[in-house]
Amino acid sequence: AQTVTQSQPEMSVQEAETVTLSCTYDTSESDYYLFWYKQPPSRQMILVIRQEAYKQQNATENRFSVNFQKAAKSFSLKISDSQLGDAAMYFCAYRIGATNKLIFGTGTLLAVQP
Amino acid sequence: DTGVSQDPRHKITKRGQNVTFRCDPISEHNRLYWYRQTLGQGPEFLTYFQNEAQLEKSRLLSDRFSAERPKGSFSTLEIQRTEQGDSAMYLCAGQGNHYEQYFGPGTRLTVT
Repeated sequence: AQTVTQSQPEMSVQEAETVTLSCTYDTSESDYYLFWYKQPPSRQMILVIRQEAYKQQNATENRFSVNFQKAAKSFSLKISDSQLGDAAMYFCAYRIGATNKLIFGTGTLLAVQP
Repeated sequence: DTGVSQDPRHKITKRGQNVTFRCDPISEHNRLYWYRQTLGQGPEFLTYFQNEAQLEKSRLLSDRFSAERPKGSFSTLEIQRTEQGDSAMYLCAGQGNHYEQYFGPGTRLTVT
């Protein structure tokens, strides 16, 4: 069965600095999608970035980028030039096959210090 | 704003009562997913619809839970005879042809 593990329950970063959130997963599939979602306090979960497993190039969205290591089954999120608005719970998620249902990790709570 | 709305945002009910939640995705979302999120955990899949057809249900979805999506538009999730263990955030997400899921704000259920 597919599983997603986020080993950092909480992280803290200074404003304007860079932080990396870790995620590992387990799967026997060769083609799949991985996602990072952001859930601000009392607000909707929004998609931050996605990665297709068949693509070797790491995805980038403005200040957000991933380090996708397929062989190691690792999918970390790097946030550059951190802003106060980046403070949120971040979830790593794996999308399963034809159903497209998502398997989430337990999340990492990111605090941004001014 | 993802365009997906949920109602109500909060619901407090007594154990044993029935509750119903509603999710309104945008018209392009031919798939609709329900997830449950308990405190300190990531969302867990409950069920999903392709248009009006319910195609999969998780083992988490006991017989007290039922979901519908009439006409492939909005969806409802009903919990009968609520238990304290049902207290959680219930999230719905819509998905169109782009394969990305867009989440609503959730309904927070508290069973007393």
